Amino acid sequence: QQQVKQSPQSLIVQKGGISIINCAYENTAFDYFPWYQQFPGKGPALLIAIRPDVSEKKEGRFTISFNKSAKQFSLHIMDSQPGDSATYFCAAYNNNDMRFGAGTRLTVKP
Amino acid sequence: DAGITQSPRHKVTETGTPVTLRCHQTENHRYMYWYRQDPGHGLRLIHYSYGVKDTDKGEVSDGYSVSRSKTEDFLLTLESATSSQTSVYFCAIRGTSTNEKLFFGSGTQLSVL
Repeated sequence: QQQVKQSPQSLIVQKGGISIINCAYENTAFDYFPWYQQFPGKGPALLIAIRPDVSEKKEGRFTISFNKSAKQFSLHIMDSQPGDSATYFCAAYNNNDMRFGAGTRLTVKP
Repeated sequence: DAGITQSPRHKVTETGTPVTLRCHQTENHRYMYWYRQDPGHGLRLIHYSYGVKDTDKGEVSDGYSVSRSKTEDFLLTLESATSSQTSVYFCAIRGTSTNEKLFFGSGTQLSVL
């Protein structure tokens, strides 16, 4: 049973557009919600993260929106660029237990 | 990749043979993890270590064992490889109990024929 559900599986966006990836979790004990970015042949790398006491966090073109009552969070990539083409994983963490979503393959067309 | 080296990078083996994957870190981090990555499943935790000789099971530990005799090395062993263990294996490290950031290695592609 997947504790973190991620959608969509794949996403195609035009250059300059907004990419949105959504995640939902079940366990209310999770207290740290990171997003990882993975390029082909590489390991995932931390992109941005949020804690549940904050509803939004922005770092450059990347924003996490967090809805604690709905147990949902999302990644928004503004002004998407071809270099953003990668697989993105959401995750939820508590007490040494990091659970990942299934991943979203993002393609940004020039 | 944050001072993490996984070896080998690629391996092809036959069903029933033992396989050992190695993770070596130069960061002196306390916590080390082994994940497997499969399409449609994301990353799933196999085993982790919170210190030398201290290990615990993760979500998908059946068929795997680990050992950590030195801070810098974490070994993952498939005692008798099966085709269902064909996957990409990632090692990750974490510094302290209050820092949740994981740093991943570049992965090992394992094919069990």
